[in-house]
Amino acid sequence: NAGVTQTPKFQVLKTGQSMTLQCAQDMNHNSMYWYRQDPGMGLRLIYYSASEGTTDKGEVPNGYNVSRLNKREFSLRLESAAPSQTSVYFCASSEWDSDEKLFFGSGTQLSVL
Amino acid sequence: RKEVEQDPGPFNVPEGATVAFNCTYSNSASQSFFWYRQDCRKEPKLLMSVYSSGNEDGRFTAQLNRASQYISLLIRDSKLSDSATYLCAGGSQGNLIFGKGTKLSVKP
Repeated sequence: NAGVTQTPKFQVLKTGQSMTLQCAQDMNHNSMYWYRQDPGMGLRLIYYSASEGTTDKGEVPNGYNVSRLNKREFSLRLESAAPSQTSVYFCASSEWDSDEKLFFGSGTQLSVL
Repeated sequence: RKEVEQDPGPFNVPEGATVAFNCTYSNSASQSFFWYRQDCRKEPKLLMSVYSSGNEDGRFTAQLNRASQYISLLIRDSKLSDSATYLCAGGSQGNLIFGKGTKLSVKP
């Protein structure tokens, strides 16, 4: 049972380039999330999807777009990467109806030069 | 922004010690609370949920005080393997806010 799988694990971009971070979960969870984690800032919510077909902004959505492709997959897109988006990105999933336990993927280390 | 605050530490303790972490939250509407453990360069992993009645899992005890808006984690008989960063989290459906983490280092 893989849980939450993120790809890629590492990525280096130049300013202005675009990329998509992929996330898939096999726990049949309704809700999926994208967080970023920066030193001294903790985990901050970028976007979340309560269920298939819905997405909502979190605390720091600017510069990002998301797609809930189906119940399993939730992707995060950077259209024009900026150095301020250098961070570690975590995807997570949970059951909406229960007490919101989050299960995280292993993370993507992104550097924007 | 609804805040979750915790002491960043580090807490340096000897093996066998008892250590306690506290975390305060500002959103009184928060319904769910958790403690996560995060090892260096790894993803956060759920340690335990936190309930008003208090809950225990082996050497770990978590407590929620809604009146004072804080949650706590007590680790008894610390092991070297307990060294990690501990994140508290609180919120409601679709919006779980994390603290910045408390670093614990257990020494021989």
